[in-house]
Amino acid sequence: TQLLEQSPQFLSIQEGENLTVYCNSSSVFSSLQWYRQEPGEGPVLLVTVVTGGEVKKLKRLTFQFGDARKDSSLHITAAQPGDTGLYLCAGAGNTGKLIFGQGTTLQVKP
Amino acid sequence: ETGVTQTPRHLVMGMTNKKSLKCEQHLGHNAMYWYKQSAKKPLELMFVYSLEERVENNSVPSRFSPECPNSSHLFLHLHTLQPEDSALYLCASSQDSRSGEKLFFGSGTQLSVL
Repeated sequence: TQLLEQSPQFLSIQEGENLTVYCNSSSVFSSLQWYRQEPGEGPVLLVTVVTGGEVKKLKRLTFQFGDARKDSSLHITAAQPGDTGLYLCAGAGNTGKLIFGQGTTLQVKP
Repeated sequence: ETGVTQTPRHLVMGMTNKKSLKCEQHLGHNAMYWYKQSAKKPLELMFVYSLEERVENNSVPSRFSPECPNSSHLFLHLHTLQPEDSALYLCASSQDSRSGEKLFFGSGTQLSVL
């Protein structure tokens, strides 16, 4: 069974701080997605990474796919209150299903 | 008009009630999904429909019954639910049901079973 472990599960920081969220597995994924879910809403796709070692940037967010395609990280620079939400990673598994991590709840205080 | 619309947003039901959740997508997608989201647990895939045919049923109890009358609409019929079924139920769609497809989610139905 393929699993994705996210860490930390909860993060509370002050506006302007940097942070990194991790998504780890012992399994290889053909691609990995990151979603953000705001309270009362459904998840929204932020990025998809496909190639081992790939780095993608979305404004202050930097996403990296591990060289072996078993892990990924999301780094946020100078966090803003608008970054508050639940961050989910999801990997394209070998069964054809999208496997989700349990999520990282981020709270950015003004 | 949002891409994926779910109704109702909130639902409280007793264990003997029958209710239905509705999902509609305006994106022209061929695949639709039901997911269950519980606190501190990964999203659980419940059902997948591709071109109105059910292609995935993840050992979901029979008290949950999906229906997909056309590629734009998806229902989840609920009956004799248990308190542990209380969760956020999310509908999603994608261009097709291939692995790794980008999912577009609705806002969800927050279900409470008393």
